[in-house]
Amino acid sequence: GAGVSQSPSNKVTEKGKDVELRCDPISGHTALYWYRQSLGQGLEFLIYFQGNSAPDKSGLPSDRFSAERTGGSVSTLTIQRTQQEDSAVYLCASSLALRGGTETQYFGPGTRLLVL
Amino acid sequence: EDKVVQSPLSLVVHEGDTVTLNCSYEVTNFRSLLWYKQEKKAPTFLFMLTSSGIEKKSGRLSSILDKKELFSILNITATQTGDSAIYLCAVGSGGSNYKLTFGKGTLLTVNP
Repeated sequence: GAGVSQSPSNKVTEKGKDVELRCDPISGHTALYWYRQSLGQGLEFLIYFQGNSAPDKSGLPSDRFSAERTGGSVSTLTIQRTQQEDSAVYLCASSLALRGGTETQYFGPGTRLLVL
Repeated sequence: EDKVVQSPLSLVVHEGDTVTLNCSYEVTNFRSLLWYKQEKKAPTFLFMLTSSGIEKKSGRLSSILDKKELFSILNITATQTGDSAIYLCAVGSGGSNYKLTFGKGTLLTVNP
């Protein structure tokens, strides 16, 4: 079956512009995650959506970052007034929401963002 | 603050060699430890370990968790050039069953 998809694959933007990154999770997965991976760094948790529950936004680095998930499926990560330090690969993952245990997360191919 | 440390940061071997990748952690309320392989951009899931001392195995890859000493190892035997990738270790902890803390990864290069 289809995996997690993300678009665009690459995005080059000028400092100060807004960008939108899109994620389509695996069909049937109710949980969706956004991560940021800067060069030479591990994955940094940004935000988590689960069904109709309030999202866990504890990882968003500033108020320039926001995310939505419409209809429990597609998600959009928006970065306003981009800065050069926002340059990174933005990864989306989805999982089945299991009771107890740890959910295995399946990742998309990411969007490589470069802010000039 | 939860911490996951992987070593070495990078490793270069020849085809056929056996490698051992290390992951140590300091977290509150450990739940599980996961290994991922990242080629190009998308990490792909390898193993999840929750019980100490149990080996998970898939082909030439195997992993074991030591909850007493707070570490895990990932072994790859008879390495192939296709094993070249970044190997990521992540630990689930705390009150949630979704929040993972990732290490920085080990970059493995397998030369022919």
